[in-house]
Amino acid sequence: KQEVTQIPAALSVPEGENLVLNCSFTDSAIYNLQWFRQDPGKGLTSLLLIQSSQREQTSGRLNASLDKSSGRSTLYIAASQPGDSATYLCAVDNYGGATNKLIFGTGTLLAVQP
Amino acid sequence: GAGVSQTPSNKVTEKGKYVELRCDPISGHTALYWYRQSLGQGPEFLIYFQGTGAADDSGLPNDRFFAVRPEGSVSTLKIQRTERGDSAVYLCASSPFSGIVYNEQFFGPGTRLTVL
Repeated sequence: KQEVTQIPAALSVPEGENLVLNCSFTDSAIYNLQWFRQDPGKGLTSLLLIQSSQREQTSGRLNASLDKSSGRSTLYIAASQPGDSATYLCAVDNYGGATNKLIFGTGTLLAVQP
Repeated sequence: GAGVSQTPSNKVTEKGKYVELRCDPISGHTALYWYRQSLGQGPEFLIYFQGTGAADDSGLPNDRFFAVRPEGSVSTLKIQRTERGDSAVYLCASSPFSGIVYNEQFFGPGTRLTVL
């Protein structure tokens, strides 16, 4: 059974710092890995999707890497801003035929202090 | 708007009542997913539709939960005889494809269900 773990559970950094969020998964047979952002009381906003054949994806100040064989992904945020404060969730696309259901971690709560 | 929409945004009900939660996916998306998110947890898969049919309902917790998508667009999640443990945020997502490698899911804002 696929399990996704995110470390740390919470993180507080001063504005301007670069930071790394970690995600690990137990079954390497995945289609994709997706990183999301969730603001309090809101839905999920997709940040980056990495296909299983890729090693990284970049969007603006965000860079996500994937090491499928070791079951790890990292989300790197450069020059953090207070507006980056949110919960960050990673999810793997379970290798289940046509379903593509996502298995989520419990998230990392990020606070960027001005 | 072009995103996934869900109604109502909040629903408060009493134990034992019946509730319906609605999801409008992005136009043209054939795949639709329901997830449930409890406080402090990541979302958990409930059910997946490809077109009108429920291709995978393995995440539904019990037979009090049912979902339909009669015309392959709007979906309704139905919960009978609600229990306090059903309180959670119910999230809907859609994607343009399924069963292929690249499949990005787009989420709605969710419906917060509170069972008193």
